[in-house]
Amino acid sequence: SAVISQKPSRDICQRGTSLTIQCQVDSQVTMMFWYRQQPGQSLTLIATANQGSEATYESGFVIDKFPISRPNLTFSTLTVSNMSPEDSSIYLCSVTLRRGGIYNEQFFGPGTRLTVL
Amino acid sequence: GDSVTQMEGPVTLSEEAFLTINCTYTATGYPSLFWYVQYPGEGLQLLLKATKADDKGSNKGFEATYRKETTSFHLEKGSVQVSDSAVYFCALPDRGSTLGRLYFGRGTQLTVWP
Repeated sequence: SAVISQKPSRDICQRGTSLTIQCQVDSQVTMMFWYRQQPGQSLTLIATANQGSEATYESGFVIDKFPISRPNLTFSTLTVSNMSPEDSSIYLCSVTLRRGGIYNEQFFGPGTRLTVL
Repeated sequence: GDSVTQMEGPVTLSEEAFLTINCTYTATGYPSLFWYVQYPGEGLQLLLKATKADDKGSNKGFEATYRKETTSFHLEKGSVQVSDSAVYFCALPDRGSTLGRLYFGRGTQLTVWP
């Protein structure tokens, strides 16, 4: 399995500021994912972050708003830039580990609960 | 594209009641199917899985059977406990360009009262 930690666990921020969320994994993984979970909603993939290459963003998400770093195989950051109240969400980091070649099991961090005033 | 549709919540039950949360999928072929659980204040955890049609996944008293005839993967538990209160997500994997990512249902909030 994989143990994932995120910092901060929660934060309250002012409109127009930026917050960087850290994700640390206890093993080396190739693929890391950042999801957003808006209040009462399901999870939406923001981007896929592979070490050694630029992040791949899903439709509706752009690098200027959600810059991502992936400096090594155990760490990634997601920045939420120029925040507005609509960015209030839980942000989750996840990784994939192969399980016997049949399927890839995905592990999630505890999430960062962001409130923008 | 592939997707899952999950019954709307919230679901409120008394302890020891029977639980069913419906999930249907749309996909070509037979993808793996998952149920994830999110306890209050925590991230998602894999609850159970089925990797091929007709498989039954089970864990912690929960079961789900992969039924290709009805394209369903309903979650069931015979006797729920207060500690089962959580949000439950049905999911299937992306088999296209973003391997490793999951498509999630909207989530079903379960509250169990003593």
